[in-house]
Parts: sequence; structure tokens; C-alpha cells
Amino acid sequence: AQSVTQPDIHITVSEGASLELRCNYSYGATPYLFWYVQSPGQGLQLLLKYFSGDTLVQGIKGFEAEFKRSQSSFNLRKPSVHWSDAAEYFCAVGGGAGGTSYGKLTFGQGTILTVHP
Amino acid sequence: DTGVSQDPRHKITKRGQNVTFRCDPISEHNRLYWYRQTLGQGPEFLTYFQNEAQLEKSRLLSDRFSAERPKGSFSTLEIQRTEQGDSAMYLCASSLGWALTSGTDTQYFGPGTRLTVL
Repeated sequence: AQSVTQPDIHITVSEGASLELRCNYSYGATPYLFWYVQSPGQGLQLLLKYFSGDTLVQGIKGFEAEFKRSQSSFNLRKPSVHWSDAAEYFCAVGGGAGGTSYGKLTFGQGTILTVHP
Repeated sequence: DTGVSQDPRHKITKRGQNVTFRCDPISEHNRLYWYRQTLGQGPEFLTYFQNEAQLEKSRLLSDRFSAERPKGSFSTLEIQRTEQGDSAMYLCASSLGWALTSGTDTQYFGPGTRLTVL
């Protein structure tokens, strides 16, 4: 069964500081990996995704993530955080081609990011 | 694309009542998903449609829940005899999903329907 662990429930950083949100996944085959962001009371917005190829992927709003197969990780990073980045961030894993997951996503429990001025 | 839309955005009901939610996916998207999100948790998969066919249902989807996607366009999720434990955000997502076994593709989420059962 596929699963995602986000070890940090809540992270606080100062505006302008760097950010790293951790994500570890469990999946029996080639995973497809995603990061989504959710503002309070809203739906989820896709930040970036990894399907194959270059293990460092760039996303919107200056975010990037690195896929490390040996560590089963897909950590999200941003070099300089803005106050508007305060939100909840979700890592998710889906199945690759040929699988039987029908493309459903399994999410971690999320990391709440607070940004101090 | 106008994005995924959901209606209503908020629903307050009394225990035991039936409720129905609607989801309009991005046009030409073949796949449609329903997820449920409770406070402090990530979304959990409920069910999935490839066009009009419902292909997978989570064990979270008890027999009080039913979902349809007639003609492969919009979808409805009905909850009968609501319970307080059904209180949650119900999220709909859609994706292109051309082939059944093409794996996960990018899912676009709607704003969700917040259900409160009193």
C-alpha cells in the first residue's frame, strides 16, 4: 500500500529565510510525486510534480523539490520565503503507468507553514 | 479552462438528513475523483470515475454514500442519513486521464464543499 509521511506538522520561519519541508513516501513501484498548497478554506493548488527524468523539479512561486529514490524522499524547498507563502502544504504520491491505482493520490497529513515578518 | 467547480461551497444539515454535492470538472477531463478532508488531515481518496464508469471505491465510502457521473460530465456525491462523523470538506478533482492504465496524471482540485452535520 502506498503511504506518505510528512514529519513536521508545523514549521515557523522568518520572512526571507530558506525553507525545507520534508516528505517521505512508500510505494512499491515507480512513484509519481506531487506537492500541493492549500490556503484556509480553499482547495488545493499544484506547486510541482515529479514523473521521471531530472530529479530536481521546479515549480510555481519559486519552489523546487528533489526526488531521492535511495531515501524515498521528495523534499520541498524555497530559498527565500515570502509572507504570502503561509499556508498548509501537502505531499502526495500516485502510481506510475501500468499500475492498478487508477491514478488516485495518497496524501500526507500536511505541514502548516507560519511566516514571521 | 474555468477550473473545477463545486456546489454548494458550504452545507449545514441535521443528523439523519440526506445531502447531495455537485462537481463540474474541467471540460474534456476524463477522470474525476472525490476526496474527503477532515480537520488537520490530508485529503483521503473516496472514489474515482473514468468517464462515466465508477472504477474504484475506498472502504471509507460506506453504503450511505453514492456517487454518479452520468454521461461522463458532472458528478454528484450523495450522503444518506448523515452522521456527525460525516462532517468534513469534500473535494473534487479532475484530470485528463486518457488511458485507464496511464498512471497518475495532474489532478486539478475544486474549492471543496464544507459539510457540517449538527
